[in-house]
This record gives sequence, structure tokens and C-alpha cells, in this order.
Amino acid sequence: AQSVTQPDIHITVSEGASLELRCNYSYGATPYLFWYVQSPGQGLQLLLKYFSGDTLVQGIKGFEAEFKRSQSSFNLRKPSVHWSDAAEYFCAVGASSSASKIIFGSGTRLSIRP
Amino acid sequence: GAGVSQSPSNKVTEKGKDVELRCDPISGHTALYWYRQSLGQGLEFLIYFQGNSAPDKSGLPSDRFSAERTGGSVSTLTIQRTQQEDSAVYLCASSLGLSGANVLTFGAGSRLTVL
Repeated sequence: AQSVTQPDIHITVSEGASLELRCNYSYGATPYLFWYVQSPGQGLQLLLKYFSGDTLVQGIKGFEAEFKRSQSSFNLRKPSVHWSDAAEYFCAVGASSSASKIIFGSGTRLSIRP
Repeated sequence: GAGVSQSPSNKVTEKGKDVELRCDPISGHTALYWYRQSLGQGLEFLIYFQGNSAPDKSGLPSDRFSAERTGGSVSTLTIQRTQQEDSAVYLCASSLGLSGANVLTFGAGSRLTVL
């Protein structure tokens, strides 16, 4: 069965600084990987996804993530954060076999320092 | 519908009572998921329905929890004899497709408070 680890519970960065949120997964084959964001008082929204092909994927709001098979990682990055990026970020994994549940990590809460 | 609809949005109940939470997925979505988000916690997988297949119930925390999906559409999550630790936001999501490549569309959630 697949699993996801997000080692950072809470991260604070200054506005305009770069950001990297870590995600490690466990799955025996090539996984399907996702990042979702949950802004305060809002529902969960898909930021980006990796299914196959180019290991660097671009998402909405200027976010990108890179799939590294050798490290079982799918870290989320943004070159310059904005105050509106303050939110909870969840990494998720789905199996590449047929009909599979999606498993989420415990989330990383991002705070922005003015 | 246009989105995933959940009801009630808020439910306060007394310990020991039963509760039912409803999810109406996007029309045509064959997959439906229930997750639980406790305060400060991540999304805990509860149950997954895919078409007419037997549901994946591996995430249900105890036999007090059950869920059904009628006619491949609306789903109801039932919690019997509620406990205070059941207090959480219960999120429903639906998606197209048959694989782990599903992109989920989430509802706004049902916030359950057990007194």
C-alpha cells in the first residue's frame, strides 16, 4: 500500500523568499503524485500533479514540483512567496494499478513573515 | 451538480448519539472518497467507492463507522454511538476514472462536534 510523509509540520518564510516543502512517498511502482492546498476557510484545491513524463511539473499560482524516483520525493517549490500563499499544503499519492485510493500526508502549514 | 455538496455543514451532537453525513458528488464521477480531518491533523482516509465495485473500507477507524453509496451517486457516512474523539471535519471528494490518477474535487466538509 502507498504512503506519504511530510516531515515539516510548520514552516515560516519571509514574503519574497523562496520555498520548498518536502514530500516523501512509499510505493513499489511509479506513483501518481499530487499537491493540494487548503487556504484558511477554503476547500482543498489541486496545485499540480505528476502522472508520467517530464519530472518537473508546473502548477497554478507559480508553484512547481519535481519527481525524484531515486529519492522517493516530490518536493514543492516556489521561487518567491506571497502573503496569500499562507495555507496548509498536502502531498498525496495514488497507485498506478487500477482503481486505487488516494492517500494524503499529514500536511505542512505555511506561514508568511511580512 | 456543479460541485461536491455535503450536508450538514455543521453538526453538534451529544456523546452516544448516531449521526449521518451526506455527500452528493459531481454528476458522472464514478469514484467517491471520505476523509477525516481532525484539528491540526492531515487528511485521514476513511473509505473509497469506485463504481459498482466493493468499497475499500480499510480506513474506517472502528465498527461504529459505516458508509454506503446508493445508485452509484449519493453517499452517507454513518457514525454510531459517537465519541468525543469523533469530532472532526469530514470531507467528501469525487473523481472520474478508475486509477490512482484521479484528480479529486472536494466538498466543503461537514464539521462534527461531539459534546
